[in-house]
Parts: sequence; structure tokens; C-alpha cells
Amino acid sequence: KNQVEQSPQSLIILEGKNCTLQCNYTVSPFSNLRWYKQDTGRGPVSLTIMTFSENTKSNGRYTATLDADTKQSSLHITASQLSDSASYICVVADNYGQNFVFGPGTRLSVLP
Amino acid sequence: NAGVTQTPKFQVLKTGQSMTLQCAQDMNHEYMSWYRQDPGMGLRLIHYSVGAGITDQGEVPNGYNVSRSTTEDFPLRLLSAAPSQTSVYFCASSYSVAGAIQETQYFGPGTRLLVL
Repeated sequence: KNQVEQSPQSLIILEGKNCTLQCNYTVSPFSNLRWYKQDTGRGPVSLTIMTFSENTKSNGRYTATLDADTKQSSLHITASQLSDSASYICVVADNYGQNFVFGPGTRLSVLP
Repeated sequence: NAGVTQTPKFQVLKTGQSMTLQCAQDMNHEYMSWYRQDPGMGLRLIHYSVGAGITDQGEVPNGYNVSRSTTEDFPLRLLSAAPSQTSVYFCASSYSVAGAIQETQYFGPGTRLLVL
């Protein structure tokens, strides 16, 4: 069964610190992997999209990595800000293009 | 551009009532979809459309109907609401089939539905 797992479920860090969120998936065949940021009460917003051949992709202070061999991805947030407090969702698309498998998300809280 | 808009933002229904959740986009996107988001679970696909006049079922279609008469609008109808349909519903759109190509999906702000 196609699945996306994320860890940790929740995370609390202090403003200015770095953190890394993990994503493991079993989706096959694989097309691409996406990270979304979802603020409370809002819809998800795309951060990065990576295909099989891409190992790293950055978007400002967000850097996503992908290891297609081990089927793992991570999202690293540098110099966290209060506005980074949100849920971060890992999504994997299968090769047929119409099936997205969403992870449950990691809830990040950045405290002053 | 307004992007993806959804109405209403919040709705309370009684079991057995019907209603339509509205979704519209002004980006001329071909691909539109509906998801539900429940606590502790990832978003799950209800229905999707690859263009006007074409719709298909997603992972959890039971109890929901959709139609796509125009490129801009993709309403979701609850035929007979049940407490199990209490959820947050998100509409999303992208220029084309968003999985095979690196197309960004744009999500609406969501509709919170409570079925009593």
C-alpha cells in the first residue's frame, strides 16, 4: 500500500534554531516529492517539488533533500522564525500523475 | 488573481441534509480536485477533474458528487450528510495533471464542515 510517514509528529524549537523534518514513503512508481507548509486555518502552500534525479532543492531558508534509493526525504529549516510555526506536509506523486499520497504532517512550533 | 476561492468558510449541517461546497479558480487551470483533511491523517482525494466535462473518483468518493461544467468552477455536493463527513475540505487546482509534471498545486482556504 502506498504510504507516506512523517516524523516527528510535532516539534517545538526556539526562534533562530535549525530543525529537520523527516519523510519516508513507499509510493511506487515514483514521480515527484513535494513539501507543503500549512498555516493554521489555511490551505497548504507549496515549498519545493523534487523529481527522482534531484537530491536537493532550496527555497529560501527551506532546504529539501531526497534519497530515492532509500525512499526518504527531509526538510531542513535554517534560522527559524516565529512565522515558521505551521504544519509541514510531505506529498509523493506516483508515476501516473493523478495519485498524490499525503503524509499526516509535522506540527512545528517556534517559540520566542 | 484571486487564486482558488472556496465558499462557505464554515457550515453546520444536520444528518441527512444536502449542500454544495463551492470552488472557483481564475488561473485557467485544467486540473482541479477536492480533498478532505481529518485530524492525524493526510489529505485524501475525493474527486478530481482534468478539464471541463471530465471528472473521476479519488480515494474516498462515497457520499460526494462533482461536476465540471466550466474551467473555473468545480462544486462538491454532499448528497445526504453524515457525521463521518465532518471534516475540512480543500479544493486545489493546477495548470495540468499535477503529478506527472512538476506543476504546483494551489489550494483554497478550506471549508470547515460540521455534521450533527
